[in-house]
Amino acid sequence: DAGVTQSPTHLIKTRGQQVTLRCSPKSGHDTVSWYQQALGQGPQFIFQYYEEEERQRGNFPDRFSGHQFPNYSSELNVNALLLGDSALYLCASSLAVGNTIYFGEGSWLTVV
Amino acid sequence: DAKTTQPPSMDCAEGRAANLPCNHSTISGNEYVYWYRQIHSQGPQYIIHGLKNNETNEMASLIITEDRKSSTLILPHATLRDTAVYYCIVRVASNDYKLSFGAGTTVTVRA
Repeated sequence: DAGVTQSPTHLIKTRGQQVTLRCSPKSGHDTVSWYQQALGQGPQFIFQYYEEEERQRGNFPDRFSGHQFPNYSSELNVNALLLGDSALYLCASSLAVGNTIYFGEGSWLTVV
Repeated sequence: DAKTTQPPSMDCAEGRAANLPCNHSTISGNEYVYWYRQIHSQGPQYIIHGLKNNETNEMASLIITEDRKSSTLILPHATLRDTAVYYCIVRVASNDYKLSFGAGTTVTVRA
């Protein structure tokens, strides 16, 4: 049973560029959430997608956007990258009415 | 904002039980207590969750006080691979779609 998978695992971008991160949820899960984890801090909720729509959003600017596809996979897009966007980006999946949220291993983004 | 308080760090001897405390004095009646851990540079790993009864699975036991204002995660036989940051989180599972992480407890298991 495949867990939550994310790609790429590591990437380096230049300030001002745009980045797209991808996530495939755990088998059977229909809800995907994204989190940002800066070095030394706990993960911070960015937003969640269900039925291809953003259902809840954390305190992140509009530069952060997402998408969910009919097969439940998801993308996180970040525009106009800032140095402060350097972080581990985590994808998590769950059932819409389930109790447990499972995380992927994350995508390490470095902005230079 | 995180609704839990955990000690910033603790040490544990390999093979001994590790007891991780968490205070959640403002917990509501419909909020569950969740525990996750994060081994360095990996994604958070679900451990266990509970509402008011004690829970046990293959990884750990969760003891919730009768007033539900605090809980303890017990790792029965800690190994070096249990060294991680442990997060205690409260959440209304039915309509709270996110997990609010605090700083967690850094647990170091020593040989």
